[in-house]
Amino acid sequence: SQQGEEDPQALSIQEGENATMNCSYKTSINNLQWYRQNSGRGLVHLILIRSNEREKHSGRLRVTLDTSKKSSSLLITASRAADTASYFCATVGGTSYGKLTFGQGTILTVHP
Amino acid sequence: DTAVSQTPKYLVTQMGNDKSIKCEQNLGHDTMYWYKQDSKKFLKIMFSYNNKELIINETVPNRFSPKSPDKAHLNLHINSLELGDSAVYFCASSPPPAAGSGYTFGSGTRLTVV
Repeated sequence: SQQGEEDPQALSIQEGENATMNCSYKTSINNLQWYRQNSGRGLVHLILIRSNEREKHSGRLRVTLDTSKKSSSLLITASRAADTASYFCATVGGTSYGKLTFGQGTILTVHP
Repeated sequence: DTAVSQTPKYLVTQMGNDKSIKCEQNLGHDTMYWYKQDSKKFLKIMFSYNNKELIINETVPNRFSPKSPDKAHLNLHINSLELGDSAVYFCASSPPPAAGSGYTFGSGTRLTVV
């Protein structure tokens, strides 16, 4: 079954603005990951946050994790047109031997 | 060098045919996966192999048979193709979960059954 719900399903912003995407999940996790998928392409790993971490940064990306609320957010700062893509959160559970369970994704459109 | 490569990229075939998709990774990972992405972009795991051993079989019809000749290869054979099998199939590989690293995905195989 689907693990995560992502919010919003679609987000449209102007270049330079920040984009925030949220993800909720249902069961306990080992880690949570965010991936980007450009149209017609494969998924690219962006960032991983472990269950004992609360915040992580990578370049223009900031991820938070709240295990008490079973939720995570991905912030992309100073967005660029090249950030236009679908973004997926995915969780790895404690007993799933590495199985990634994906959310439904957020379609981000950044207008130049 | 492509880390996870899968072939073919596109596959158009008639109902009832049998087809295979091949996947190879050169990352030295022990674990490989097949994921299916449907028309609504939802991604769902199908199979996972660890060092040639099947560890996850996610209630996939037995028309789908994965084969891992070695830990660098995971192929997917599909018998008696149906219209509902049309989707994009992604191969992926990963280090052990404890490594805390992300997964590497192939570029996908778009299967269209007509």
